[in-house]
Amino acid sequence: EAGVAQSPRYKIIEKRQSVAFWCNPISGHATLYWYQQILGQGPKLLIQFQNNGVVDDSQLPKDRFSAERLKGVDSTLKIQPAKLEDSAVYLCASSPRRSQETQYFGPGTRLLVL
Amino acid sequence: AQRVTQPEKLLSVFKGAPVELKCNYSYSGSPELFWYVQYSRQRLQLLLRHISRESIKGFTADLNKGETSFHLKKPFAQEEDSAMYYCALKNAGGTSYGKLTFGQGTILTVHP
Repeated sequence: EAGVAQSPRYKIIEKRQSVAFWCNPISGHATLYWYQQILGQGPKLLIQFQNNGVVDDSQLPKDRFSAERLKGVDSTLKIQPAKLEDSAVYLCASSPRRSQETQYFGPGTRLLVL
Repeated sequence: AQRVTQPEKLLSVFKGAPVELKCNYSYSGSPELFWYVQYSRQRLQLLLRHISRESIKGFTADLNKGETSFHLKKPFAQEEDSAMYYCALKNAGGTSYGKLTFGQGTILTVHP
């Protein structure tokens, strides 16, 4: 089966600019996750979707980050305006359901904010 | 709050030597623990989970609730085991059900 797809793979922007990341999960996977991985740290969950609804966004900095999953398939994560500390790899993962033990990860988008 | 600690950022061994990657956790409920691995230029992938009590690529991990640990072990390391290893804990209930909390990761290098 095709894996989780993400684009772009790399992005360089200046602080205060906006940026958007796209994720296409594995077909049929109801649950979608966005993680932020800062250099030297493990991934940290930003938001979790079940179909097209948000089930956990407690770690999402809502003053600048937003995410949506229209039609319960693809998802976009947006940062506006970006700060230097947003430099990180943004990982998208999906699983068939929340109870599913295995999360399947995409290749990530590496963001550098100058 | 749940927490996962991997005390070693770097671990180097020689081929054929035993290896143990340490993981300790803090969680108020019944934990579900995993090891994820990321090989060079590959995406993060599941290595093994404690519920399955399986051995994958020669690796095993035993959940010790008394010591709140889930260390990853392999008796004879191979060069292809060189990778970044993450221990992760799954939230088993509430609104955060399904959420994974990751440790900081351990870079394992196996020398020939």
